[in-house]
Amino acid sequence: DAGITQSPRYKITETGRQVTLMCHQTWSHSYMFWYRQDLGHGLRLIYYSAAADITDKGEVPDGYVVSRSKTENFPLTLESATRSQTSVYFCASTGTSGTLDEQYFGPGTRLTVT
Amino acid sequence: KQEVTQIPAALSVPEGENLVLNCSFTDSAIYNLQWFRQDPGKGLTSLLLIQSSQREQTSGRLNASLDKSSGRSTLYIAASQPGDSATYLCAVRPRNSGYSTLTFGKGTMLLVSP
Repeated sequence: DAGITQSPRYKITETGRQVTLMCHQTWSHSYMFWYRQDLGHGLRLIYYSAAADITDKGEVPDGYVVSRSKTENFPLTLESATRSQTSVYFCASTGTSGTLDEQYFGPGTRLTVT
Repeated sequence: KQEVTQIPAALSVPEGENLVLNCSFTDSAIYNLQWFRQDPGKGLTSLLLIQSSQREQTSGRLNASLDKSSGRSTLYIAASQPGDSATYLCAVRPRNSGYSTLTFGKGTMLLVSP
């Protein structure tokens, strides 16, 4: 399917477990982003990537790890999940000009940490 | 630090009304501003993108304006319909050193009643 996809769409995990959220885009966009959305905080940037093998921290990176070995994939790993990481996670991408193009979002992953 | 504010937080109107959603930002140094729509439990859908050099953009019944000097944008929805019910998010792409990402407002929740 064309566009940006995320998996899984829903995930329940226990405190302390490692969990990886997947993001895949088919446009060959250079830039990819991970956000979390929480009531009262809105959308906050976790990590972003300008190209394969280039990543950088956003506003709330603690407890998260990212990698980008291929342009089309940008997985987000919670190394040891905590209840405060219960949230809805959105992946996004934007075109090669970076600053001028629209940003497109995936459908989200709803993560619950018990 | 760039901050984005959306007023009102919630709005309820009868079908057929024209309405305006407001977005303000604290730093006028932006590349562009993007309006999104988010349906409950869904991802973000891009509605309109206004570059910093533009004053407005139109798509169907939607018109977005940008006054960069005053730090304001409005989203005008003509002849509202129940299907317009959703949360509308405004986001700016600040000019800064390094990679530039979106700063979001917390959204306006719109309910259009039949």
